[in-house]
Amino acid sequence: NAGVTQTPKFQVLKTGQSMTLQCAQDMNHEYMSWYRQDPGMGLRLIHYSVGAGITDQGEVPNGYNVSRSTTEDFPLRLLSAAPSQTSVYFCASIETGGGKAFFGQGTRLTVV
Amino acid sequence: GQQVMQIPQYQHVQEGEDFTTYCNSSTTLSNIQWYKQRPGGHPVFLIQLVKSGEVKKQKRLTFQFGEAKKNSSLHITATQTTDVGTYFCRNAGGTSYGKLTFGQGTILTVHP
Repeated sequence: NAGVTQTPKFQVLKTGQSMTLQCAQDMNHEYMSWYRQDPGMGLRLIHYSVGAGITDQGEVPNGYNVSRSTTEDFPLRLLSAAPSQTSVYFCASIETGGGKAFFGQGTRLTVV
Repeated sequence: GQQVMQIPQYQHVQEGEDFTTYCNSSTTLSNIQWYKQRPGGHPVFLIQLVKSGEVKKQKRLTFQFGEAKKNSSLHITATQTTDVGTYFCRNAGGTSYGKLTFGQGTILTVHP
């Protein structure tokens, strides 16, 4: 049981480039979320999904897109990377009913 | 999701000293979860509290949920260097699990 698999672990982008952060879970959870973590800012919610085909914005959605075509996958797309998007990104899969969150290993993204 | 405020933001202790972090909400919480994130790692679920006045223990860690279900605390007795990390609380109640947000976290440093 892999839990939540998040790739890549590290990425360096140039300003203006686009990329997709991958997230997959094998626990058949309906709910998934993306967070970014910056020093002193805790975990801030970017986008979330309550099931396949359903997504919504969190606290800091600008500059990011998501889609949920399957229960398992919840990719996060950076449309045109900016230095302000330098951060550590975490994908979480949330247990239905109990609400316990399982996190991926994180992606350390640097935009230069 | 309901916002929770966490204090203090930072705590430095000598090994062997006790440590407490607090999680506060202006509204009643359905339940509260606590997570620990080791430096360079991802948040990992520790415990969930559901009942008013609930107290749970995990070895040297004691978790409490306030009588009014508006606050919670995590207390570590006789800290060890392995306790280093960031401790987050999370409002885990309601029906929109994916949108639930975390407190800002308390960063604990333990000096040997």
